Amino acid sequence: DAKTTQPTSMDCAEGRAANLPCNHSTISGNEYVYWYRQIHSQGPQYIIHGLKNNETNEMASLIITEDRKSSTLILPHATLRDTAVYYCIVRVPYNNDMRFGAGTRLTVKP
Amino acid sequence: EPEVTQTPSHQVTQMGQEVILRCVPISNHLYFYWYRQILGQKVEFLVSFYNNEISEKSEIFDDQFSVERPDGSNFTLKIRSTKLEDSAMYFCASRGTGVGTEAFFGQGTRLTVV
Repeated sequence: DAKTTQPTSMDCAEGRAANLPCNHSTISGNEYVYWYRQIHSQGPQYIIHGLKNNETNEMASLIITEDRKSSTLILPHATLRDTAVYYCIVRVPYNNDMRFGAGTRLTVKP
Repeated sequence: EPEVTQTPSHQVTQMGQEVILRCVPISNHLYFYWYRQILGQKVEFLVSFYNNEISEKSEIFDDQFSVERPDGSNFTLKIRSTKLEDSAMYFCASRGTGVGTEAFFGQGTRLTVV
């Protein structure tokens, strides 16, 4: 699976959009981009995933660049409860392991 | 909403003892996983399980570890002889079939080896 690079930490003001970037320049054609988050020591929580088209669900939007070498997770109106570590993971769908990196620690501030 | 359930939430055991961590995956899922997270470190993949056998395992998953699906609903992780360094949060996850389906995680079992 392709390697990903994320900033170590980011801050965001409550009520503003949080834009979390991820670089995956070695992504291959059949690899999906997944986003998870971990609030404190809870189990990782699935957020969204995509292959090449932009995706949106009730939690977030995922913007994937046309060359697929990077993506951005957008939380449109961040709340204090969105403070968490956010993981960007790239993997082929039939691989049975999913490896977590260090992620981005997002702190939403009042 | 269906969820992955793990028991117990906290287990304390003496070094050298065997422990079994239990998970009930989401009912129609067929792929199952165990991960661990040592305090302050990243989430680490241990093993994946499909069709009643291990499909992938990491270098962490040595002979001290085993997994089993003893019946149609449970998925267990056994550590034969626990060491102090096995102290961690252990997360179970499951996912359904279909290309690109996401995995859902349980809330974890905190294992403390004393």
